[in-house]
Amino acid sequence: EDKVVQSPLSLVVHEGDTVTLNCSYEVTNFRSLLWYKQEKKAPTFLFMLTSSGIEKKSGRLSSILDKKELFSILNITATQTGDSAVYLCAFTSGTYKYIFGTGTRLKVLA
Amino acid sequence: DSGVTQTPKHLITATGQRVTLRCSPRSGDLSVYWYQQSLDQGLQFLIQYYNGEERAKGNILERFSAQQFPDLHSELNLSSLELGDSALYFCASSVWGTNSPLHFGNGTRLTVT
Repeated sequence: EDKVVQSPLSLVVHEGDTVTLNCSYEVTNFRSLLWYKQEKKAPTFLFMLTSSGIEKKSGRLSSILDKKELFSILNITATQTGDSAVYLCAFTSGTYKYIFGTGTRLKVLA
Repeated sequence: DSGVTQTPKHLITATGQRVTLRCSPRSGDLSVYWYQQSLDQGLQFLIQYYNGEERAKGNILERFSAQQFPDLHSELNLSSLELGDSALYFCASSVWGTNSPLHFGNGTRLTVT
């Protein structure tokens, strides 16, 4: 059965810290891996990764995919209180499936 | 703003009732997905439509049904509601298939009393 596991489940850090969030998956017919940030309402799209070993960056956030070891990491440097959210990892399988993990809850203290 | 519109934002109803949740996808998106998110739970896939046709089903209860109309908006119907159906229901859309990310609406929070 396709599944995705995120770790840690929750994390508390102080502003300025760097955090690494992990996502491992088992899936048939893997197509891509996605990261989302969910604050109070809708998950908002961060990254989509399809190729192994190529880092995607957006400001202080970056992500990389390892298709051989079946995992991805999301790094956030110089964290700010506005980074507090649940970070969701998802993979796509075949033509239609998007499977989400249960997320990592990040709290950044001032 | 993702461009996906969901109405209503909140619904409070009693057990045994029926409700309809509505979703308008982003302009140009043909595919609509419905997800359920209960307290501290992940996003559970319910059902997916592409250009009016049902394409995939997840853990959707028989009491739940959905459809996508010719103008591409979608409705999720929940009937014989139970307390356990209380959750946040998200609609998401994509251009087509899994080559593009999903974009989510702000959800409908359903409370069954």
